[in-house]
Amino acid sequence: NAGVTQTPKFQVLKTGQSMTLQCAQDMNHEYMSWYRQDPGMGLRLIHYSVGAGITDQGEVPNGYNVSRSTTEDFPLRLLSAAPSQTSVYFCASTQDSLYGYTFGSGTRLTVV
Amino acid sequence: GIQVEQSPPDLILQEGANSTLRCNFSDSVNNLQWFHQNPWGQLINLFYIPSGTKQNGRLSATTVATERYSLLYISSSQTTDSGVYFCAVAWVVNSGYALNFGKGTSLLVTP
Repeated sequence: NAGVTQTPKFQVLKTGQSMTLQCAQDMNHEYMSWYRQDPGMGLRLIHYSVGAGITDQGEVPNGYNVSRSTTEDFPLRLLSAAPSQTSVYFCASTQDSLYGYTFGSGTRLTVV
Repeated sequence: GIQVEQSPPDLILQEGANSTLRCNFSDSVNNLQWFHQNPWGQLINLFYIPSGTKQNGRLSATTVATERYSLLYISSSQTTDSGVYFCAVAWVVNSGYALNFGKGTSLLVTP
């Protein structure tokens, strides 16, 4: 029972590079979301999805792109990395948006 | 969005002591959760508790929705309880919901 799996756990990027953070869940959850955690700012919502083929923006979507082609996977793409995107990224899933959430173990990203 | 305030921001306990963490929120909610972020950064869902009381071992939580607060009780604390405790409530974002987190209570349990 893997739950929510995020890869990679750590990543260093140069400014301007692009990359994809992977998120997969095996609980058949419809609702998936991406958060970033920054010191003093708490966790903030980047993008979310209420099912395959359906995505929407959260509080801080600029510079990020998502897609949801399957129920299991919800990748987050950084189009052109900037130092302001240095953060810890968490993926979460839930059966329904009004139930308990399960979080992945996070990806620590540094942009230099 | 709904404002979430947690207190105290920091707490140091000796092993075996009890503690109460508080979460106040600014509007009525139908989804409130408590999380523990351990020293390795992992977020663990402790309780989904929009109202009422739940217990899980040494931890219990109570939410009084009409008065807009929730309490997390830790009894007989252990060093493994150290970390940050977050309260989060669901709020409407565009076509769905998102969790709005408080700033957390940082707990250190000393031997």
